[in-house]
Amino acid sequence: GAVVSQHPSWVICKSGTSVKIECRSLDFQATTMFWYRQFPKQSLMLMATSNEGSKATYEQGVEKDKFLINHASLTLSTLTVTSAHPEDSSFYICSARGGTRRSTDTQYFGPGTRLTVL
Amino acid sequence: GQQLNQSPQSMFIQEGEDVSMNCTSSSIFNTWLWYKQDPGEGPVLLIALYKAGELTSNGRLTAQFGITRKDSFLNISASIPSDVGIYFCAGQNPGNQFYFGTGTSLTVIP
Repeated sequence: GAVVSQHPSWVICKSGTSVKIECRSLDFQATTMFWYRQFPKQSLMLMATSNEGSKATYEQGVEKDKFLINHASLTLSTLTVTSAHPEDSSFYICSARGGTRRSTDTQYFGPGTRLTVL
Repeated sequence: GQQLNQSPQSMFIQEGEDVSMNCTSSSIFNTWLWYKQDPGEGPVLLIALYKAGELTSNGRLTAQFGITRKDSFLNISASIPSDVGIYFCAGQNPGNQFYFGTGTSLTVIP
């Protein structure tokens, strides 16, 4: 149980295009999902917290108009990187809160999406 | 966001040796989580701790929730090559905010 999937697992795009990444909780409902960015050999950097049915909460320094988050259902959140540029190239990981006896106290991570912007 | 103090930053050990790493915080947490991340993949939950003083094992892994609620440690016994990876701690505070450690990179030498 408590499986989180991400799609696509990797994507290469041209500068200026938009890329959508999906995060799904496969066997549990997640009222809260998180989006992280990770650079090589570094820890996870929280970008935003996504709550089902409401606007996402963005961390300081993260542009909400560039990183659009939609949490349309209890099992799906999407991150759209708009007008991507090479500096947006990174490893994006989502997580979902829940799935166990302490449903609000545990995060389960997706496998990540490697974005490369040419 | 805030990060937890995790140490050591990296470890190089011989196969069969035991490993110990820890996380500390200046504030209390209600939950401590330990994850392992392999290159190019998302973190995988190893152990979840929900109560101060709790000691939980998962195979060769043992983790404890510090009695002060400000720290946690993870031990790996009899390390094997597949233990290689980056280990992260995470804590959730009473405000339901999660914070992550800076990671411990483990290398096991056969």
